Amino acid sequence: DAGITQSPRHKVTETGTPVTLRCHQTENHRYMYWYRQDPGHGLRLIHYSYGVKDTDKGEVSDGYSVSRSKTEDFLLTLESATSSQTSVYFCAISEPGPYEKLFFGSGTQLSVL
Amino acid sequence: AQKITQTQPGMFVQEKEAVTLDCTYDTSDQSYGLFWYKQPSSGEMIFLIYQGSYDEQNATEGRYSLNFQKARKSANLVISASQLGDSAMYFCAMREGLANTGNQFYFGTGTSLTVIP
Repeated sequence: DAGITQSPRHKVTETGTPVTLRCHQTENHRYMYWYRQDPGHGLRLIHYSYGVKDTDKGEVSDGYSVSRSKTEDFLLTLESATSSQTSVYFCAISEPGPYEKLFFGSGTQLSVL
Repeated sequence: AQKITQTQPGMFVQEKEAVTLDCTYDTSDQSYGLFWYKQPSSGEMIFLIYQGSYDEQNATEGRYSLNFQKARKSANLVISASQLGDSAMYFCAMREGLANTGNQFYFGTGTSLTVIP
């Protein structure tokens, strides 16, 4: 299985505070993704990255920013957390190959109070 | 428009019976890939099966098979001989475009499957 680690696993924060979630991979894969999972919505793409310093927005990017200064690390920042950003956040990497499947981290449960 | 539609929020199946989870997709690309993932209550996302848009035969992986009907744009997951451990959330997903070219992956809203002893 792909080496992909998310930190923290759980976080509780207050409205208005900035929050950074980290995704670390040991596979040296090029493409990385941040999704959020909410009941009734499935997984929705927040941001994704093609490589170092090369990122793009997904369908629910408002209120989020990302950075990728090294191949192995993809950071997701909630600039000023709101209660609507309470969610489970998944990082994923795509494994190159004939069908390029996604591997997921274990997820981060974020609660914004 | 939704790229992936899963119309069954919840499904029940008797142990040892087969069950079909529905998935339809929307794309104008000729090249795409279709995936199913399983998410047990522990929360991890587990890859189950893949079907490429050019694959003529339905994909199979053990007890999982993907009923691919290209003209209808459907990619239903069939689980044969259901087991209690199959109780989980199941997500259908699509990668638009060619593999390994930085395309997005789209997910459906999921189907919660409960296997009854």
